[in-house]
Amino acid sequence: DAKTTQPNSMESNEEEPVHLPCNHSTISGTDYIHWYRQLPSQGPEYVIHGLTSNVNNRMASLAIAEDRKSSTLILHRATLRDAAVYYCILRDSGGSNYKLTFGKGTLLTVNP
Amino acid sequence: GAGVSQTPSNKVTEKGKYVELRCDPISGHTALYWYRQSLGQGPEFLIYFQGTGAADDSGLPNDRFFAVRPEGSVSTLKIQRTERGDSAVYLCASSLGGRDTQYFGPGTRLTVL
Repeated sequence: DAKTTQPNSMESNEEEPVHLPCNHSTISGTDYIHWYRQLPSQGPEYVIHGLTSNVNNRMASLAIAEDRKSSTLILHRATLRDAAVYYCILRDSGGSNYKLTFGKGTLLTVNP
Repeated sequence: GAGVSQTPSNKVTEKGKYVELRCDPISGHTALYWYRQSLGQGPEFLIYFQGTGAADDSGLPNDRFFAVRPEGSVSTLKIQRTERGDSAVYLCASSLGGRDTQYFGPGTRLTVL
């Protein structure tokens, strides 16, 4: 699986936007970019995914660079409940894409 | 609707004992996964079931670990002769099919003394 690189930690203030970066310079043409997050003492939770175009849903937005070598997860207004570890994961849309390969993720702290 | 549930939520055992961890997936999900998460690390894949069969068990660390899903729904992860290094949170996830979004349970925290 192609590797992703994320900062170990980031800090934000409540009600401000948060931009969580992810580098994936070895991404292949069939890799989708997935984001999951893990709140304290819970299992990971799906956030969003995309292939080439920017994506929006009720939780977040995903901005994908034109060359697809990096992406950014955007939380438009951080709340205290958004404090979690955020994982950027590449998932091949081809045959063996069933498992998720997690890195260490980015620990997001949200200050009141 | 009901999400993925795992029992027990916590399990403390002694080195050398046998343990079973249970996962109840979302109803109708044909794919089921087990992951293991050590402190400070991301989850690590163990095994994937499609229906009743283990489609990929390449993540199982050794032959002390075994998992079953006899009726294509509930799954049990079995660990024989537990070691202190087996201490971790064991996570179960399910998805509609192998390519779909995975939904995780809260995990079972296993502590081997």
